[in-house]
Amino acid sequence: AQSVTQLGSHVSVSEGALVLLRCNYSSSVPPYLFWYVQYPNQGLQLLLKYTSAATLVKGINGFEAEFKKSETSFHLTKPSAHMSDAAEYFCAVRRRAAGNKLTFGGGTRVLVKP
Amino acid sequence: DTAVSQTPKYLVTQMGNDKSIKCEQNLGHDTMYWYKQDSKKFLKIMFSYNNKELIINETVPNRFSPKSPDKAHLNLHINSLELGDSAVYFCASSQEMNEQFFGPGTRLTVL
Repeated sequence: AQSVTQLGSHVSVSEGALVLLRCNYSSSVPPYLFWYVQYPNQGLQLLLKYTSAATLVKGINGFEAEFKKSETSFHLTKPSAHMSDAAEYFCAVRRRAAGNKLTFGGGTRVLVKP
Repeated sequence: DTAVSQTPKYLVTQMGNDKSIKCEQNLGHDTMYWYKQDSKKFLKIMFSYNNKELIINETVPNRFSPKSPDKAHLNLHINSLELGDSAVYFCASSQEMNEQFFGPGTRLTVL
């Protein structure tokens, strides 16, 4: 069974600093990969997705992620953190033959310090 | 206009009761989902319906029964509620296997 691991359940960054959230997947075949953001007391919003086109994917709010097959990783970055980036971030995978079933990582909470 | 809506937003009830959570989407999507998010924020799919037909049914107690009266609605009925059912339940929808859009969630507390 495929799985996805997010390293670090909490990340604290200073405003203006780089945001780096780590995601690794286990799958013999590269799956589709997603990053979602969840603001407090809200549902999930799609930040970006990888579906086997370009390995560097740009998303909303200045976020981007790079698919690295050799490392089975799909880390999320943002060059300069903003206070509004404080939220919970989820990496998710979808196996190509599994319908539209998303398997989520455990989530990483981002705290932005002024 | 809300794309995926859920009612109620909060639900507090006693053990043993039966309750329902409603979900509606106005996106014209053909597939709807229910996810459960536990107290540690772990998210797991429960069910998926495509054109009113059940296509994903994870290992969920049979006390949970999804009902899809039409493509725009997927309700979740829970019988004999237990303490462990306390969680946030999210509804989502998609057009075929495209991006899933999530509702705001329903926080269920079982006392």
